[in-house]
Amino acid sequence: DIQMTQSPSSLSASVGDRVTITCRASQSISSYLNWYQQKPGKAPKLLIYAASSLQSGVPSRFSGSGSGTDFTLTISSLQPEDFATYYCQQSYRTITFGQGTRLEIK
Amino acid sequence: EVQLVESGGVVVQPGGSLRLSCAASGFTFDDYTMHWVRQAPGKGLEWVSLISWDGGSTYYADSVKGRFTISRDNSKNSLYLQMNSLRTEDTALYYCAKDDGYSYGWGIDYWGQGTLVTVSS
Repeated sequence: DIQMTQSPSSLSASVGDRVTITCRASQSISSYLNWYQQKPGKAPKLLIYAASSLQSGVPSRFSGSGSGTDFTLTISSLQPEDFATYYCQQSYRTITFGQGTRLEIK
Repeated sequence: EVQLVESGGVVVQPGGSLRLSCAASGFTFDDYTMHWVRQAPGKGLEWVSLISWDGGSTYYADSVKGRFTISRDNSKNSLYLQMNSLRTEDTALYYCAKDDGYSYGWGIDYWGQGTLVTVSS
């Protein structure tokens, strides 16, 4: 199985900050990597697919990069509605999610 | 508007069985792979299973392989998950989810609201 490890597990930041979340795969997954945002009590929302493509309707402050084993999700200027938990997901071999990164208000 | 409505979640004893259903609308159901994803209380997301558009291909997480069976009825726009030999660690909110059809591999662009399965004696 391919393991996905996110770092950090939690993060405190302020509105306006630039934030980067990292996801590492246990083996190369090319660009078979998606990012999701989940708010409490809600279903996840797809943000980024194929490592760097922005899902329709998602603000441009969100961006993704990487290939192979190392990937990043960047939020260029945090907005109040961005405080949530973020998950990476690989689909190179079936599907595995990372453990999540909780983004909290400082 | 895409809608996915799950049902069937209840409290069940360890070793018991349960069948979850998902009614889909707002898109051409038989064009898309469908997924089940679960989330234990206070925990992260765990992919459970997927089924191809025609039901010809199915995949399972190791944690449920041999116990769970995914199926679909395209004539009814419905997705199912038969869950047998349930364990306490299967307690979770189960989401029905639609594949986006354009990610490399698989990605999920729509999710239901979830149905809660509790395995407890």
